[in-house]
Amino acid sequence: GAVVSQHPSRVICKSGTSVKIECRSLDFQATTMFWYRQFPKKSLMLMATSNEGSKATYEQGVEKDKFLINHASLTLSTLTVTSAHPEDSSFYICSARTGRTTNEKLFFGSGTQLSVL
Amino acid sequence: GESVGLHLPTLSVQEGDNSIINCAYSNSASDYFIWYKQESGKGPQFIIDIRSNMDKRQGQRVTVLLNKTVKHLSLQIAATQPGDSAVYFCAENISGGTSYGKLTFGQGTILTVHP
Repeated sequence: GAVVSQHPSRVICKSGTSVKIECRSLDFQATTMFWYRQFPKKSLMLMATSNEGSKATYEQGVEKDKFLINHASLTLSTLTVTSAHPEDSSFYICSARTGRTTNEKLFFGSGTQLSVL
Repeated sequence: GESVGLHLPTLSVQEGDNSIINCAYSNSASDYFIWYKQESGKGPQFIIDIRSNMDKRQGQRVTVLLNKTVKHLSLQIAATQPGDSAVYFCAENISGGTSYGKLTFGQGTILTVHP
C-alpha cells in the first residue's frame, strides 16, 4: 500500500533554534497533506492543511509564522518549527491524501517527536 | 469489556475477550468515520472506516457500528489479543471536496489486554 515517510523520527534541539520536519509520499503524488500535533496522552489536533503550490491553510489558534509549511512538490511537505521553545515539544504527525478521483485514501506518517531543551 | 470513550479513557480486558470502544462525535455534518490504532511513539494505523450511509461494517476481527441519531460510533474487537494493546482513536470527517482528510479526532481510549 501507499507509504508516507516522515523524517526525522526524533529530534532534540536547543531553545531558540528552528527545526524542519519532512513528510514524503513515497509511491503516490499528494497534492494535499495535513499536519497534526499530539501532546502526551492526548489526541491528535489538526494544525494545518498543506497544499502543493499554494499557501497552507492553518487551523484557528495555530501561528503560521511559528509553524512554517512548505509544499513545493507533489511528494514533499515540510513543517518548520521556528524559534522553538520547550512548549513546542510535542509529537508531530503528517498525513497525505492520494488524490484519486475514486476510492481516495488517506495515509499517515510515523510521526516526529520534538523535544526542545 | 466496554469503554465510554470520553469518560472512561482506559479499558482493560483479558486475552480472548471481546472489546468495545465507544466514541461520541460532534459534527452532524460528518459523513465519514475512521478508527485508528496508535502504538507508543508511532503514527496512527488505519483499522476500519465507515460512511454515513451504513450503520455497520465488518473487517477481520473488528466491527464498527454507527448510530447517526445519537452521533455515536463504536469499535468492537473480537477475541482481543495482547498485540491489540494500544490507544484507539475515532476520527470524523466531511468527505466531500477539499475537506476530505481534515480529521477531527476523538479523545482516545487506552486498551490494555492482559494475557
